[in-house]
Amino acid sequence: EPEVTQTPSHQVTQMGQEVILRCVPISNHLYFYWYRQILGQKVEFLVSFYNNEISEKSEIFDDQFSVERPDGSNFTLKIRSTKLEDSAMYFCASSPMGRDSYNSPLHFGNGTRLTVT
Amino acid sequence: GNSVTQMEGPVTLSEEAFLTINCTYTATGYPSLFWYVQYPGEGLQLLLKATKADDKGSNKGFEATYRKETTSFHLEKGSVQVSDSAVYFCALSDYNTNAGKSTFGDGTTLTVKP
Repeated sequence: EPEVTQTPSHQVTQMGQEVILRCVPISNHLYFYWYRQILGQKVEFLVSFYNNEISEKSEIFDDQFSVERPDGSNFTLKIRSTKLEDSAMYFCASSPMGRDSYNSPLHFGNGTRLTVT
Repeated sequence: GNSVTQMEGPVTLSEEAFLTINCTYTATGYPSLFWYVQYPGEGLQLLLKATKADDKGSNKGFEATYRKETTSFHLEKGSVQVSDSAVYFCALSDYNTNAGKSTFGDGTTLTVKP
């Protein structure tokens, strides 16, 4: 069964540094998402992406965050200047396109654990 | 706005016990409802879903019924196993929101002891 893959599995960075988290969504999916989970608890929506542009973003997704689909397969999340509070597990997800896409569950990757020191 | 409220955890049960994890929701439209499970060190994976009122989702012995009158989607299993130990998330996706964005509950940690 196709799956969403994320790299790296763990990223350690110093405060103020830039990080790029990478994701390869399922190949025939057209909606892509980033979610964040702090301390293994609440899963928080960051951003959704469709047709090469952001379709919705949360208040968490401020100017320090950006997303990009640089080629036909990768979907990246960049944090320009990391803060201690950015430490979390970041999950990429994708879902198929369609009129009933809201019925489709999200397919999640295994996440990247970001630790900011 | 949309919201999902789950019963607080953690929940600890003995093997073969009956499980209920409560979930209620608030939505502006006609949401689809999901239960996701997260095993240690892994991402979230779909456990079951229901897309309209009175639908019952089921998988791996787990069940949940979409109750519009009580805005609930409680997760149940008749006999839990140690391997069911995980974090369970209730979620909704509303056709009024863009592109299937999902709203999640806080998660309920289940530990099953032999």
